[in-house]
Amino acid sequence: QVQLQESGPGLVKPSETLSLICSVSGGSVNSGSHYWNWIRQSPGKGLEWIGYVFYSGSISYSPSLKSRVTISVDTSMNQFSLKLSSVTAADTAVYFCARDRRNKTVGFHYGMDVWGHGTTVIVSS
Amino acid sequence: DIQLTQSPSSLAAFVGDRVTITCRASQNIKNYLNWYQQKSGKGPELLISLGSNLESGVPSRFSGSGSGTEFTLTISSLQPEDIATFYCQQSHSTPWTFGQGTKVEIK
Repeated sequence: QVQLQESGPGLVKPSETLSLICSVSGGSVNSGSHYWNWIRQSPGKGLEWIGYVFYSGSISYSPSLKSRVTISVDTSMNQFSLKLSSVTAADTAVYFCARDRRNKTVGFHYGMDVWGHGTTVIVSS
Repeated sequence: DIQLTQSPSSLAAFVGDRVTITCRASQNIKNYLNWYQQKSGKGPELLISLGSNLESGVPSRFSGSGSGTEFTLTISSLQPEDIATFYCQQSHSTPWTFGQGTKVEIK
């Protein structure tokens, strides 16, 4: 079955850029039925959607993070990535990648059915 | 953005009790509402999609209902392994948004 695995530095300095990769195994990012998402969870808090990418490169970002976020897909490596610039302590969180299903015919989305285990990123000098 | 408000924020119930969690949307989202369970230290797991579709492998004691702006997740008979935080999420329009979560504990 499809598995997702986040990777990247666990510690980032303030004002620098957070970079994470989500590796996809058991399936392909080229799937026309799935979008590839990043979600984060600050300590003791709820889930915050960051954005998604489609294999074609189509993207959507959270308006609150849009000015600092870049999500991209690398079909040759079967992975997708997150870059978040100018980080502050408020960006300290567990970052999850997740697969989001989309009905090809009608176009609606219907839930994130595969999640990575999450990776903790601390922003500190 | 579409706001989702869950209630209650936490609850404690006995094993075997029926548990109900509500999720209200700030606008009509038809049935584009999904429910997740997150156990401590783990990533979320999709339980129910499109308001009422039980995902494969999810115990039948979980059910979802509702449409428009009001949705419900029900656990018909609470089990010890159900201890977790439950989140609703709308997939009607981006940005996807989540409810603030409902923490379920055993009395």
